[in-house]
Amino acid sequence: GENVEQHPSTLSVQEGDSAVIKCTYSDSASNYFPWYKQELGKGPQLIIDIRSNVGEKKDQRIAVTLNKTAKHFSLHITETQPEDSAVYFCAASIQGTSYDKVIFGPGTSLSVIP
Amino acid sequence: SAVISQKPSRDICQRGTSLTIQCQVDSQVTMMFWYRQQPGQSLTLIATANQGSEATYESGFVIDKFPISRPNLTFSTLTVSNMSPEDSSIYLCSGSTYTEAFFGQGTRLTVV
Repeated sequence: GENVEQHPSTLSVQEGDSAVIKCTYSDSASNYFPWYKQELGKGPQLIIDIRSNVGEKKDQRIAVTLNKTAKHFSLHITETQPEDSAVYFCAASIQGTSYDKVIFGPGTSLSVIP
Repeated sequence: SAVISQKPSRDICQRGTSLTIQCQVDSQVTMMFWYRQQPGQSLTLIATANQGSEATYESGFVIDKFPISRPNLTFSTLTVSNMSPEDSSIYLCSGSTYTEAFFGQGTRLTVV
């Protein structure tokens, strides 16, 4: 089955700096890669996603890149703000089939220092 | 995107008892899933809730311990049976369409 790894497990950045989180996946059939942000006491919230037919996607200060050959994908947050502090999870899924469960990476705890 | 409501949001239960968690989605989804998130950990998939048939369980999870129902496209329940302190966790319901997977706020369960 699918296995998703994520690095680093913790990340501290100064406000205004950039943060990068990297993930790898094992199943070459995976074609959907969402990123979730989880704040304390809340469920995961989808912040951005990318599909296998796209190499990069950007939404304001957040961008994701995907290298299908290497089975790597990354989250980039620019101009970080204290409210970006949370746990971030990458995930992989095979969408568009009858069995599109989402498998999560172990998470990255991001702290943005004012 | 759809909104998922879970009930209860939290509970404290005695060991040996069972708790049923309800999940309601406000629009039709193709798939529904149940996850467990232990303190400080990632989300682990328990099972896929199949409409009108038995759920599909992941390795390490069994129907006797986590019976699941999904009587229609927008509603599912997860029961945590014969609870022990090791079952203390957050249990999350997820709904999936062909374009997005989204989550409820979770049920925080403490077993004493």
